[in-house]
Amino acid sequence: DGGITQSPKYLFRKEGQNVTLSCEQNLNHDAMYWYRQDPGQGLRLIYYSQIVNDFQKGDIAEGYSVSREKKESFPLTVTSAQKNPTAFYLCASSGQLNTEAFFGQGTRLTVV
Amino acid sequence: GENVEQHPSTLSVQEGDSAVIKCTYSDSASNYFPWYKQELGKRPQLIIDIRSNVGEKKDQRIAVTLNKTAKHFSLHITETQPEDSAVYFCAGLSGYSTLTFGKGTMLLVSP
Repeated sequence: DGGITQSPKYLFRKEGQNVTLSCEQNLNHDAMYWYRQDPGQGLRLIYYSQIVNDFQKGDIAEGYSVSREKKESFPLTVTSAQKNPTAFYLCASSGQLNTEAFFGQGTRLTVV
Repeated sequence: GENVEQHPSTLSVQEGDSAVIKCTYSDSASNYFPWYKQELGKRPQLIIDIRSNVGEKKDQRIAVTLNKTAKHFSLHITETQPEDSAVYFCAGLSGYSTLTFGKGTMLLVSP
């Protein structure tokens, strides 16, 4: 289903802990993205990467970190510095400029 | 960067009616405008897109129109069905080549 996989689907974290969300794609896409979705807020860009070993901050990068060591993988770490981490996180990938972005099924993170 | 405004935030229609969702964008250099449908608990999926060199595109019951001068584009769904109920997002391709999304429209189609 889809070619882009996020894991886990649900994640619970204690306050003060870092947590890493996985995103893997087998679509041979160069570009990968992380979005955060909150009710009524649409999709907000956290980080994106257009090639391996390079990534850029999006609109709400504070408290998050990423890496792009492989073309297929773009993990997102939610650090303890993120003040309100409870949200639905979506990873996406696209092949070229001006083409469709494919989304993973999302990870719902809850801080307890 | 790009700013995309989407209206309305919620839209209720009767089955068989038409639904229209409108978006405006700020960056005149944006040239790719997709629409995504997200059903409850699922991932967003592309339903239609339009590029800046055309003014209208249709795919069965859905169509998108683009007015570059006014910097707005709209999604039109005709003969709505209950399975059309979902959240719809518009997006524009920003200057640094990432999609900027609107805040979404929750469409509810009542039988």
